[in-house]
Amino acid sequence: KNEVEQSPQNLTAQEGEFITINCSYSVGISALHWLQQHPGGGIVSLFMLSSGKKKHGRLIATINIQEKHSSLHITASHPRDSAVYICAVRSRDGGATNKLIFGTGTLLAVQP
Amino acid sequence: EPEVTQTPSHQVTQMGQEVILRCVPISNHLYFYWYRQILGQKVEFLVSFYNNEISEKSEIFDDQFSVERPDGSNFTLKIRSTKLEDSAMYFCASSPTLSLYGYTFGSGTRLTVV
Repeated sequence: KNEVEQSPQNLTAQEGEFITINCSYSVGISALHWLQQHPGGGIVSLFMLSSGKKKHGRLIATINIQEKHSSLHITASHPRDSAVYICAVRSRDGGATNKLIFGTGTLLAVQP
Repeated sequence: EPEVTQTPSHQVTQMGQEVILRCVPISNHLYFYWYRQILGQKVEFLVSFYNNEISEKSEIFDDQFSVERPDGSNFTLKIRSTKLEDSAMYFCASSPTLSLYGYTFGSGTRLTVV
């Protein structure tokens, strides 16, 4: 079983729609990272969360530590938001390494 | 904005050949990482490096792999004798501290073993 699960795996939306991507994890974590990966492969950091909620532009990320769940929301989606969105966690037992455990990603396609 | 730079962006190599993937982390970062992503699969941790030594490695990181920080700026991943299954995108990352603040990925090197 994957330690980090994302849903949905694929998501198609119309421009302007509100989008939610979910991440559940089974390990104790010290922090969670939402990342964006475009075709061609580069990974860009969107948010780092250890509690509560963060907002940056049209992106909102929330985390519920007790429920081991995080969501990434995109408001007023646009075709340029089309990408793979990845949830990655830093295990609380990560110790002196700071390694990330990745989810499988959500492929988002926003159609005009 | 500071970047993690990886070269080359794409490398094709024959099976059995040695390859060296290069990374220049952000200059004031102290922790360095290599990850890989086989096509269609999730990103997997390979190794972390701090204070000129490996701090953790995954079971993927066997004797065929090695890392080095030869000159205080570059951070390299060497695969000694490549196999077809080493074909993947390899990402370097660095962070200033033991937290996710400032954790930055490079744009990746796509390695194709033929």
